[in-house]
Amino acid sequence: AQTVTQSQPEMSVQEAETVTLSCTYDTSESDYYLFWYKQPPSRQMILVIRQEAYKQQNATENRFSVNFQKAAKSFSLKISDSQLGDAAMYFCAYGTSGSRLTFGEGTQLTVNP
Amino acid sequence: DGGITQSPKYLFRKEGQNVTLSCEQNLNHDAMYWYRQDPGQGLRLIYYSQIVNDFQKGDIAEGYSVSREKKESFPLTVTSAQKNPTAFYLCASRPLAGGLTGELFFGEGSRLTVL
Repeated sequence: AQTVTQSQPEMSVQEAETVTLSCTYDTSESDYYLFWYKQPPSRQMILVIRQEAYKQQNATENRFSVNFQKAAKSFSLKISDSQLGDAAMYFCAYGTSGSRLTFGEGTQLTVNP
Repeated sequence: DGGITQSPKYLFRKEGQNVTLSCEQNLNHDAMYWYRQDPGQGLRLIYYSQIVNDFQKGDIAEGYSVSREKKESFPLTVTSAQKNPTAFYLCASRPLAGGLTGELFFGEGSRLTVL
């Protein structure tokens, strides 16, 4: 069974600085998707960024980027120029086409002014 | 607007009662999912369905039941057999074909409290 591990239950960052959230996963598949979701206090799950495993280029969405290391099965999220609105729980997730998504346990990010 | 609607947002139940959480989507997605979230924890899959009239158990199906009579609807019943039902419940959906990226779309959640 696939597993997703987020080893940092909590992280904090100063406003305007950069923070990296870690995620590792275990799979025997070669084609899959990886995601980072954000859950603010409203508890609405919001997709932050996605990565297709067949793409070598790391995904980027404005201030959010990933470091995807397929051989190491690592998928970290970098948030640049952190803003107060980035404070949330962040979940890493793994899935294959047509199958269920498996989520990590989450990292609670605090942004200090 | 297209999206996923969960209701009710908050629900209180006495022990021993069954309760049904509603999930409706107008995104024309094939697959629908129910996740449970406990404080400080990740999302655990309860049930999922990829086609009408068919569904599969997830990791924590005991004490729950579902139905998928229509493509747009996937209600979850929390039965009295569920020993610790107080939690936040999230419904999600995704397409299974056509340029899919595998992304899940989520509802706003339902908070169930057992008194």
